[in-house]
Amino acid sequence: RKEVEQDPGPFNVPEGATVAFNCTYSNSASQSFFWYRQDCRKEPKLLMSVYSSGNEDGRFTAQLNRASQYISLLIRDSKLSDSATYLCVVNGPYSGAGSYQLTFGKGTKLSVIP
Amino acid sequence: NAGVMQNPRHLVRRRGQEARLRCSPMKGHSHVYWYRQLPEEGLKFMVYLQKENIIDESGMPKERFSAEFPKEGPSILRIQQVVRGDSAAYFCASSRDPAANYGYTFGSGTRLTVV
Repeated sequence: RKEVEQDPGPFNVPEGATVAFNCTYSNSASQSFFWYRQDCRKEPKLLMSVYSSGNEDGRFTAQLNRASQYISLLIRDSKLSDSATYLCVVNGPYSGAGSYQLTFGKGTKLSVIP
Repeated sequence: NAGVMQNPRHLVRRRGQEARLRCSPMKGHSHVYWYRQLPEEGLKFMVYLQKENIIDESGMPKERFSAEFPKEGPSILRIQQVVRGDSAAYFCASSRDPAANYGYTFGSGTRLTVV
């Protein structure tokens, strides 16, 4: 089983649509979870952290199910500018000296169409 | 407050040459990470460093690759005797805490092309 697994897409949706991305992770010891966004030929940028209780930031909602080791991202009212690759990220494995590396999924590509 | 600074942005090397990639973390961040992204692939962890120490190099190829983060100056990722398969985007990231509870901030990357 891959450490962080995502549907690669692409997801092609019209403007205004709601789209959901899912992710599963294998390391049950992971404690921190994130969604990053990566535009073509650019660096990944932190979109939002994901908390156990679920959290929302404007049109974006993230959910975490620790029992199922499952993370989701919901984007409402999609904009053209949302077109990007969305990366699911978890902390772990342990690197030593009290430190953890972040493990990235391969990403789900989203294209929002006019 | 400058972000993570990487240079050069683009680097072209012939097979067999050496590539040196530099990274200066964000101010106040003492944890530096290097990741590699092959074309159409995800980000793969290479190495994690603190000042003057390599903490985790479990993702580094055993040969030709090395990294350092000296007391003064940027972190350096060095690739000796480059081959075509080394062509990739190399991203450096920094964080303020070792457990990365707040995520990383990435630099804009160095795109290495081996010809």
